[in-house]
Amino acid sequence: DAGVTQSPTHLIKTRGQQVTLRCSPKSGHDTVSWYQQALGQGPQFIFQYYEEEERQRGNFPDRFSGHQFPNYSSELNVNALLLGDSALYLCASSGVTGQGVDGYTFGSGTRLTVV
Amino acid sequence: KQEVTQIPAALSVPEGENLVLNCSFTDSAIYNLQWFRQDPGKGLTSLLLIQSSQREQTSGRLNASLDKSSGRSTLYIAASQPGDSATYLCAWGNYGGATNKLIFGTGTLLAVQP
Repeated sequence: DAGVTQSPTHLIKTRGQQVTLRCSPKSGHDTVSWYQQALGQGPQFIFQYYEEEERQRGNFPDRFSGHQFPNYSSELNVNALLLGDSALYLCASSGVTGQGVDGYTFGSGTRLTVV
Repeated sequence: KQEVTQIPAALSVPEGENLVLNCSFTDSAIYNLQWFRQDPGKGLTSLLLIQSSQREQTSGRLNASLDKSSGRSTLYIAASQPGDSATYLCAWGNYGGATNKLIFGTGTLLAVQP
């Protein structure tokens, strides 16, 4: 059973550029969330997608946007990159299975470096 | 506003010791509590999920408990091994409700010395 898949694993971008990160959820999960993890910190919630709509959003500027596709996969887009956007970006999927609530499953993350 | 705190921030123990990691939260309206492990530069691996109706969960050498009245959860690791060295994160979350997200602590960095 495939878990959460994220691509790319590493990315280096220049200040001001735009970036797109991709995520495929665990089989059977229909909800995708994105988190940003700065070095030495716990992950911070960016937003969550369910039924192709943004259901909830954390305290992140509009430069951060996303999308969910009919197959439940998702993209995170960041515009006008700042040095402070350098972080590990984690995708998590969740859902309700036949056994009830299935906890969040995280991908391996995308390490974004802005120079 | 929910806040999650983990103590200690770092811990170093000799191999074979039993240890306890602590997690506290300010909002007692607990929904679910999930413990994760994170190796350096890697994603999160789920260890245990305690749903709001449960008090503890066990998996192998790991046992996690949840006390909603005191706003605390503990992760007990028995007979620690060098391979247990990692950062351990606890996260409070509501799965399926209006606040369907995880709020994380800053983690406990564990080093098990051979």
